[in-house]
Amino acid sequence: EAGVTQSPTHLIKTRGQQATLRCSPISGHTSVYWYQQALGLGLQFLLWYDEGEERNRGNFPPRFSGRQFPNYSSELNVNALELEDSALYLCASSLGLNEKLFFGSGTQLSVL
Amino acid sequence: QKEVEQNSGPLSVPEGAIASLNCTYSDRVSQSFFWYRQYSGKSPELIMSIYSNGDKEDGRFTAQLNKASQYVSLLIRDSQPSDSATYLCLMIRQGAQKLVFGQGTRLTINP
Repeated sequence: EAGVTQSPTHLIKTRGQQATLRCSPISGHTSVYWYQQALGLGLQFLLWYDEGEERNRGNFPPRFSGRQFPNYSSELNVNALELEDSALYLCASSLGLNEKLFFGSGTQLSVL
Repeated sequence: QKEVEQNSGPLSVPEGAIASLNCTYSDRVSQSFFWYRQYSGKSPELIMSIYSNGDKEDGRFTAQLNKASQYVSLLIRDSQPSDSATYLCLMIRQGAQKLVFGQGTRLTINP
């Protein structure tokens, strides 16, 4: 059974551009979570989607947005990229609330 | 006070010894806890989950939860150099849409 898959693996953008990151959850999982991990730092919660709806949002500006599609895959969009947005973006999925999270391999976003 | 706190380390333990990792939390509402291991440059991988007071053992790993004292710990017996990683504690507040990771403890096992 396939795990959580993320694409692309690496993404290089310049300041002011937009980035789109994609995530496919484990089959049967309805919840998708997005985290940002800057180099040497902990996991910062970005967004949580379940059954197509945004359930919770971390302390990030509105230029970080996303959505979950009917097949439960998800997209994270970052507009007006800033240098400090450079980080590893991790997606995780779970069967639902209170269930364990399984992580994808991440997308390394570099903003030049 | 952070909702979930971990000592960032680094914690150094000799090979073969017991490594003890701790996580404290501030919310008394019933929680679920999970321990993850993250190697440098990799994504976190689930080690164990624990939902009720007491100990839960899985191979060399033992998770301990004490809700009265509001802490959860992870013991690694017979530590190996391959256990060197950052260990993350995740708390999920039941009945609420809230997940909180601790900042992680960096563990180094010295041969």
